[in-house]
Amino acid sequence: QSALTQPASVSGSPGQSITISCTGTSSDVGGYNYVSWYQQHPGKAPKLMIYDVSKRPSGVSNRFSGSKSGNTASLTISGLQAEDEADYYCSSYTSSSTPYVFGTGTKVTVL
Amino acid sequence: EVQLVESGGGLVQPGGSLRLSCAASGFTFSSYEMNWVRQAPGKGLEWVSYISSSGSTIYYADSVKGRFTISRDNAKNSLYLQMNSLRAEDTAVYYCARVFMAFDIWGQGTMVTVSS
Repeated sequence: QSALTQPASVSGSPGQSITISCTGTSSDVGGYNYVSWYQQHPGKAPKLMIYDVSKRPSGVSNRFSGSKSGNTASLTISGLQAEDEADYYCSSYTSSSTPYVFGTGTKVTVL
Repeated sequence: EVQLVESGGGLVQPGGSLRLSCAASGFTFSSYEMNWVRQAPGKGLEWVSYISSSGSTIYYADSVKGRFTISRDNAKNSLYLQMNSLRAEDTAVYYCARVFMAFDIWGQGTMVTVSS
């Protein structure tokens, strides 16, 4: 099972919106509405930000939103803040012999 | 407080073995599926292994199949990862993660270094 494809880096100025893509196949992202997104600050454990493509866990800012079109899922961060600077990973359920796969990761930089 | 705490990491020689533990608290451990996820230094997240709430269903990544064994003891609220025939490429921080909607709760991780 190959990792889902994400851009290595995305940047934006405070207050702007950015979007991170996550491209898979019809066997994972395209086949199920089980895409999730994680935020990871340096030296910290990942934190769930979005699940089931577009749902936010309690306590996660509504500046974070998710969507999906075909085999590509997206995470949008609106009103970018300094604290949003982190690595972001997508994940999907898969129909392969292994149930889960992560994306390659995207480093978000707030300019 | 819902919490997962990993332990058991350390330095081990290639070909050696290590057993990781993950202690759960603040929730009904026996009701949840669990996973191990690892992250090599400077690299991304890699899913390693899954175990169902009862322990009856188990999956492994191809990279660890035949060398790692996941297990759980619901009476002790604990998850384990027995790692044998360790290789340099197994060097990583190992996280245990609960599955509810997605990987919703993560431990702080335990570092495993495979080196001579």
